This record gives sequence, structure tokens and C-alpha cells, in this order.
Amino acid sequence: AQSVTQLGSHVSVSEGALVLLRCNYSSSVPPYLFWYVQYPNQGLQLLLKYTTGATLVKGINGFEAEFKKSETSFHLTKPSAHMSDAAEYFCAVSSSGGYQKVTFGTGTKLQVIP
Amino acid sequence: DTGVSQNPRHKITKRGQNVTFRCDPISEHNRLYWYRQTLGQGPEFLTYFQNEAQLEKSRLLSDRFSAERPKGSFSTLEIQRTEQGDSAMYLCASRGGLAETQYFGPGTRLLVL
Repeated sequence: AQSVTQLGSHVSVSEGALVLLRCNYSSSVPPYLFWYVQYPNQGLQLLLKYTTGATLVKGINGFEAEFKKSETSFHLTKPSAHMSDAAEYFCAVSSSGGYQKVTFGTGTKLQVIP
Repeated sequence: DTGVSQNPRHKITKRGQNVTFRCDPISEHNRLYWYRQTLGQGPEFLTYFQNEAQLEKSRLLSDRFSAERPKGSFSTLEIQRTEQGDSAMYLCASRGGLAETQYFGPGTRLLVL
């Protein structure tokens, strides 16, 4: 069984400020972890993923996330927010084997204030 | 690599009607997934195909829902006797071989009146 908890359904940051979106997961097997971004009325775009190896992963648009097994966390960060970062962000987990169906969190809407 | 495509992008129907959605995965991706996303929620898994075989179905997939992938390429999702609770975004994703990443289409937004 696997699950994802995203803390904060809405996050507001000022343009240029640090972005921190929190994600905790639960998985009975070694997980694959993902962050997806969704713009209004669009599908999901992969930002970054963790499978194995280096626990700090870098993605597109300046985002990065760190896998912390001891804390079962996979928080998403970006040093400096841009207006174009305003969107909804989903943390997700899948198993490393089997069908790899993805379980998503409920999402965090990021607002960037000019 | 043209990405995952879904048609139609929007569908408005009356309660009780049948609707069918189509998903064309990335070519040569043998694994295909359907998800449903309601307002304010993350996508929820509906069903999974490996080639033409439907290998897993969620309990969310009631008897009114049926999905097919007849030749292991495109897939269809049909909802019979639609209900207002079926209103949602229906997302398709595909994955190739041993790759970890599912690539999502733009979704079909269904509104049942």
C-alpha cells in the first residue's frame, strides 16, 4: 500500500522568494517518487523524479527535491519563485516493481505574488 | 515522439447518455493507464493495460465503465448511463518498457448535466 500527503493545499510566495512544497509518503516497498506540475485545463508535466542513487534530484525550471528516507519526505524547492511557477503541484509515489501505478497527493496550488 | 493525445478534450453530456473517450499513447509504449481527477483532488488510478491485456482495475471502475485496448495501441474508455458524479477530468498516461516515468496526455474533461 502507498499513500502521499501534501501539507498545504495553497501556498503563496512573493516573486523571487524561496518555494517550498512539502510531501510525505508511505510505501511498503522501495518507492519511486515524482513531482508533477499541472497548469489550468492541462495534463500533468513531470518536474522531477527519484528512483535510486543520489537523493538530491534536479528537475526542470530550476526545481529540485531531496529524498529523505528517515523522514519519508520528498519536499520540492526552488530558490527563487517566478510568476510562471504559479500552478498546481502534485507529489506522487509508485512502487519500484509491479504495475507501477501512481498514487498522487491532493495537490498544492502555488500562488506567486508580484 | 508526439506525446500522449486524448480526444475529445471536452465533452458535455446529459445524464443517462453513454460517452467514449480515446487515448493514443506515445508510440511503442506498451503500458497504458487511465486516471480520473475530480476538482481539487489529485488523479486517482482507474485501470492499467500492458499491451492489449487489462491487468488491473480499481474499485472506482464501476460496472458502467469499460476500457479496451484492442490492438495494444490506442485505448478507449466508455462510460454507460452517465451520472453527474462522473463529471471529472479523465487522464491517460503511457510508459515504455522498464522506464519509470508515466507521460500524461492533456485529459478529457467530462461534464454531465
